[in-house]
Amino acid sequence: EDQVTQSPEALRLQEGESSSLNCSYTVSGLRGLFWYRQDPGKGPEFLFTLYSAGEEKEKERLKATLTKKESFLHITAPKPEDSATYLCAAFGTGANNLFFGTGTRLTVIP
Amino acid sequence: ETGVTQTPRHLVMGMTNKKSLKCEQHLGHNAMYWYKQSAKKPLELMFVYNFKEQTENNSVPSRFSPECPNSSHLFLHLHTLQPEDSALYLCASSQGVGNSPLHFGNGTRLTVT
Repeated sequence: EDQVTQSPEALRLQEGESSSLNCSYTVSGLRGLFWYRQDPGKGPEFLFTLYSAGEEKEKERLKATLTKKESFLHITAPKPEDSATYLCAAFGTGANNLFFGTGTRLTVIP
Repeated sequence: ETGVTQTPRHLVMGMTNKKSLKCEQHLGHNAMYWYKQSAKKPLELMFVYNFKEQTENNSVPSRFSPECPNSSHLFLHLHTLQPEDSALYLCASSQGVGNSPLHFGNGTRLTVT
């Protein structure tokens, strides 16, 4: 069964305390993976696309990496404004082959 | 207006009401989607339109009826809903179907009483 699992479900960090969020997937015919950020009361905001194992993408304090079984979102020296829910979604072929995880709710404490 | 705009932001309706959700995208994309987001569940795909033709209907109950008059506008018509239909309904668009990232609106928070 195709699915995406994110861990941990929730993460609390002190400001400046680096950490990683995990997204493991079992999707047949994987063509890539998206990361999104979702703030309360808003829709998911697109962050990165990763297409192949070994690929990395960076944006400010965030770096996303991809292996053949999982993806990581590394957060370096986070700030309170990084607090949000982070979603990953793996896609195979076709419109109905986009599988979302349930997200990691990140809280960064000043 | 930029991006994907959804109205209304909040909606409370009784089980016998009829209402519609509206979505408009200003990104020049050709595919549009409806998703349902419930607490602690993955986003659930409901409908996909590509060049205003419906390409996916993910076993959604008939009390949800989509309409896509053109590539920029998408509606979700609601009637005789159930309390379990209460959720955040998200519209999204993408350039093509498959590899392109989806761009989401801020959703309509629906409460069925």
